Amino acid sequence: EVQLLEFGGGLTQPGGSLRLSCAASGFTFSNNAMTWVRQAPGKGLEWVSAISGRGSDTYYADSVKGRFTISRDNSKNTLHLQMNSLRAEDTAIYYCVKGLYTPDSWGQGTLVTVSS
Amino acid sequence: QSVVTQPPSASGTPGQRVTISCSGSSSNIGSNTVNWYQQLPGTAPKLLIYSNNKRPSGVPDRFSGSKSGSSASLAISGLQSEDEADYYCAAWDDSLNGYVFGTGTKVTAL
Repeated sequence: EVQLLEFGGGLTQPGGSLRLSCAASGFTFSNNAMTWVRQAPGKGLEWVSAISGRGSDTYYADSVKGRFTISRDNSKNTLHLQMNSLRAEDTAIYYCVKGLYTPDSWGQGTLVTVSS
Repeated sequence: QSVVTQPPSASGTPGQRVTISCSGSSSNIGSNTVNWYQQLPGTAPKLLIYSNNKRPSGVPDRFSGSKSGSSASLAISGLQSEDEADYYCAAWDDSLNGYVFGTGTKVTAL
């Protein structure tokens, strides 16, 4: 059974940084691209970033390009999202999802709040 | 603002057929397959339909998907109260080089 567990969320001030992580199990992590999706309170889903299985290809939404960095550690079956220069509009639940063109299995999400 | 649009709401009485539309463009739905997600209140989204019309294991056959050109639709035949949820279509966008979600549709069983 695929399991994805996100952690690292919390409260930070505008301009601050956070690093999200996602621990994966139940599938061959290195064979699968991974994706981050976020959902602001009461809003719809927004694709944030994705990374290929080997980590050689990365993809970003324009809204986070230059501020967020996606990475992975295949030896530890872990996905990361380094978020810098955070803004109030980055406040959301961040979900870790398996897949690239068809994200299928979702974690339960971790809440990031950017507020002074 | 999403480049893929859906009606904000849809409703029906239990047992009725409900259809949700999803309108995109040549760079997303027009050239890539469409996926649908169901998000029950307070939970993470779940893949409902993939590759336009395929159901993952465990998804009831009352859910079906179709695609024509740059548009797609999700049908729920025999609406049940437990189908009350938000539904999102999505597809890869070749111009944006990213995945785009539709604006989402809230389905209510009257």
